[in-house]
Amino acid sequence: NAGVIQTPRHKVTGKGQEATLWCEPISGHSAVFWYRQTIVQGLEFLTYFRNQAPIDDSGMPKERFSAQMPNQSHSTLKIQSTQPQDSAVYLCASSFSGTGGARAEQFFGPGTRLTVL
Amino acid sequence: GEKVEQHESTLSVREGDSAVINCTYTDTASSYFPWYKQEAGKSLHFVIDIRSNVDRKQSQRLTVLLDKKAKRFSLHITATQPEDSAIYFCAASGRAGGYKVVFGSGTRLLVSP
Repeated sequence: NAGVIQTPRHKVTGKGQEATLWCEPISGHSAVFWYRQTIVQGLEFLTYFRNQAPIDDSGMPKERFSAQMPNQSHSTLKIQSTQPQDSAVYLCASSFSGTGGARAEQFFGPGTRLTVL
Repeated sequence: GEKVEQHESTLSVREGDSAVINCTYTDTASSYFPWYKQEAGKSLHFVIDIRSNVDRKQSQRLTVLLDKKAKRFSLHITATQPEDSAIYFCAASGRAGGYKVVFGSGTRLLVSP
């Protein structure tokens, strides 16, 4: 079991460019979560999917951020027109959601460190 | 929405001592309280959780206590070891919040030999 896979591990973009981050959840897990971690803001929830359906995207900056889960084996987080304040570590996690939604142990990937110059 | 406050930003203990990390939450409907550990340069991994149908859960050197009336929960680590040094995050989740997990700001635990 390779765990949650995130690619790329590091990404550097120029201001205004687009960034796409990839996440491959653990096989058999039906819930996928995206978080953003910075020193200042800490660990912020962005969005989550259950059985590929978007359940809660209340943490997503609406204008430039979007997330998709086209199949059970991967999810993407896309940031359009990146800004320096988007610089952060983006973490993906997956869990076996069972009947309790997010009430199950989450397995985190190594994260993608995004740097916007 | 739910807010989770983690009271100690840093905690230093000597090896062998006990450590306690305290958290409070705001949403009375929260029902699931996990704890995660993040070692330097690494991602988070799960350490222990507690559900609202119990008020205490123990796993080896870790014990979680939950006080629903006070909306407070805590992680107790006994016989600390240097490898316990990490940032510990408490979190809360519940039906009212769509089961999303809201994390505290983290407590940096340093265990010195």
